[in-house]
Amino acid sequence: DSGVTQTPKHLITATGQRVTLRCSPRSGDLSVYWYQQSLDQGLQFLIQYYNGEERAKGNILERFSAQQFPDLHSELNLSSLELGDSALYFCASSQRLAAYNEQFFGPGTRLTVL
Amino acid sequence: AQSVTQLGSHVSVSEGALVLLRCNYSSSVPPYLFWYVQYPNQGLQLLLKYTSAATLVKGINGFEAEFKKSETSFHLTKPSAHMSDAAEYFCAVSDETGANSKLTFGKGITLSVRP
Repeated sequence: DSGVTQTPKHLITATGQRVTLRCSPRSGDLSVYWYQQSLDQGLQFLIQYYNGEERAKGNILERFSAQQFPDLHSELNLSSLELGDSALYFCASSQRLAAYNEQFFGPGTRLTVL
Repeated sequence: AQSVTQLGSHVSVSEGALVLLRCNYSSSVPPYLFWYVQYPNQGLQLLLKYTSAATLVKGINGFEAEFKKSETSFHLTKPSAHMSDAAEYFCAVSDETGANSKLTFGKGITLSVRP
């Protein structure tokens, strides 16, 4: 158990819908990352927050947005869903910003868009 | 931009045999490198990391990796494979600027262990 929790574990929805994925980082970790894992794209970085502020953006679609709240939990919002958004979405956390800090991954949310 | 290349998508070894999973990196500055393991239907777990303190890095579950700057490699090894090592293994490099620490992953290698 990494200490990072993600809910829900599974999500099945239809095209055009909007969903919210939730992540609680390890106690004391200020940085939260979101990654998408799909068969064709592999593991891709989406976005990073540190202590409530956005720090880095990767290959995140405009239909996707995220935020980190004062209690440090984070939410990833996916809207106007398409079939291609079906993937495993991971949240990870680390204590600080430094590049040598290891990231601890949650169990993931499996999103299926029908 | 930094990147990692994992050659081959699948490696199969016999139980008790040497495990060697290859990773080559591309970076303009000394990188921070990581190996993660993903068991079926689970998240990623850190095996080990290289942060320039020592070129031979020991990790969990008997795994180790050696950083070779001349070969731009960070191959993962284990002397004797166990059935429980069957999983997917990812090599990753951390952002070089240090201002953020996003990970760039390789495509992953699936390790199968034959009895």
